[in-house]
Amino acid sequence: QSVLTQPPSASGTPGQRVTISCSGSSSNIGSNYVYWYQQLPGTAPKLLIYRNSQRPSGVPDRFSGSKSGTSASLAISGLRSEDEADYFCAAWDDSLSAYVFGTGTKVTVL
Amino acid sequence: QVQLQQWGAGLLKPSETLSLTCVVNSGSFSGYYWTWIRQPPGKGLEWIGEINHSGSTNYNPSLKSRVTISVDTSKTQFSLRLSSVTAADTAVYYCVRGYDTSGWSYWGQGTLVTVSS
Repeated sequence: QSVLTQPPSASGTPGQRVTISCSGSSSNIGSNYVYWYQQLPGTAPKLLIYRNSQRPSGVPDRFSGSKSGTSASLAISGLRSEDEADYFCAAWDDSLSAYVFGTGTKVTVL
Repeated sequence: QVQLQQWGAGLLKPSETLSLTCVVNSGSFSGYYWTWIRQPPGKGLEWIGEINHSGSTNYNPSLKSRVTISVDTSKTQFSLRLSSVTAADTAVYYCVRGYDTSGWSYWGQGTLVTVSS
């Protein structure tokens, strides 16, 4: 039931910048906040970005979020081996009256 | 340090009712949205629904006919019941704390629920 579209994979070498896109519609990203979560293998997701671009305390400033129209992006700069994980975007959908998630992007550090 | 600890049956037969409980070990219970999210093995996340401390609920329409989320503020616990389960309900279920528009900051450890005859 993934309503938001993400690329299935992204990769980079240590130190590089990686960007993950999240595409939605006017009923979700276009009119509500976007959130980003990181999920390390075998663990619960962790909040990385809230309200489109805000970082919770403790999240490195290497992670940044942005939103434009019906799309959002998560950027990871200075890529590190510990960033290897799955990343999900999320937003409230006014039409569905439910939170919806992205399809997920697996980031690999080469 | 806020901690969410969850428990419940891990193996169910088709048509049975899934029941999970989550206790919040510290921090205030009021003012937050207590949420359930699930993740089928190897797949993405699905929001099931939420409840606030006063018992007001909001469910995913796709599951609404089968879902009940309840809260016991005296025990700082909230629970999930999902009736008439099928194999499609096999997933890791997470209890989560949300606050306003600040996202889901605290997650339980997850419970794998398998539905199989």
